[in-house]
Amino acid sequence: RKEVEQDPGPFNVPEGATVAFNCTYSNSASQSFFWYRQDCRKEPKLLMSVYSSGNEDGRFTAQLNRASQYISLLIRDSKLSDSATYLCVAMGDTGNQFYFGTGTSLTVIP
Amino acid sequence: GAVVSQHPSWVICKSGTSVKIECRSLDFQATTMFWYRQFPKQSLMLMATSNEGSKATYEQGVEKDKFLINHASLTLSTLTVTSAHPEDSSFYICSANPTGGKAFFGQGTRLTVV
Repeated sequence: RKEVEQDPGPFNVPEGATVAFNCTYSNSASQSFFWYRQDCRKEPKLLMSVYSSGNEDGRFTAQLNRASQYISLLIRDSKLSDSATYLCVAMGDTGNQFYFGTGTSLTVIP
Repeated sequence: GAVVSQHPSWVICKSGTSVKIECRSLDFQATTMFWYRQFPKQSLMLMATSNEGSKATYEQGVEKDKFLINHASLTLSTLTVTSAHPEDSSFYICSANPTGGKAFFGQGTRLTVV
């Protein structure tokens, strides 16, 4: 079983829509969680960390449910520039290794 | 934010030759760096953990004799793809995490073996 499972999509949504991505992780000892954004042929860039209490950064909201081992990312009022692949990442219990989901492809349509 | 620089950005080489990729942490020291590989439409897959001053730790299925890793200083790790073959063509990315557990990535190296 993969460490991190993520719906690959693709998600095609109109501008202004709200879209949610989900992710599950298998190692209950995982310490930290992140969402990264990766544009085509570029390196992943940190979008936001994910905290148990939930955290928000502008139009982006991330949530973590440790009991269900589930992570989510909500994007409100989608912009064309949000089109990218969103990677769900869990840090292993050793605090060093990062485990990536397959990424969810998002295309925001005018 | 922390900066990780990777070089070269892209390289084309002949089958059978070796290619070296450098990963540098520009504004922090990294005792540990990570090397990933990404095939088209797939996620990043961890290849190995590079440890400063000691041997790298390779993930299962990654040939250590083919993918040589050297981490000679606190700011530089290198990955050498030896005797490259077309199936080694991929996007290679390094990362390091200075504080807070967040990983910062190099720009990636697109390797094409012809």
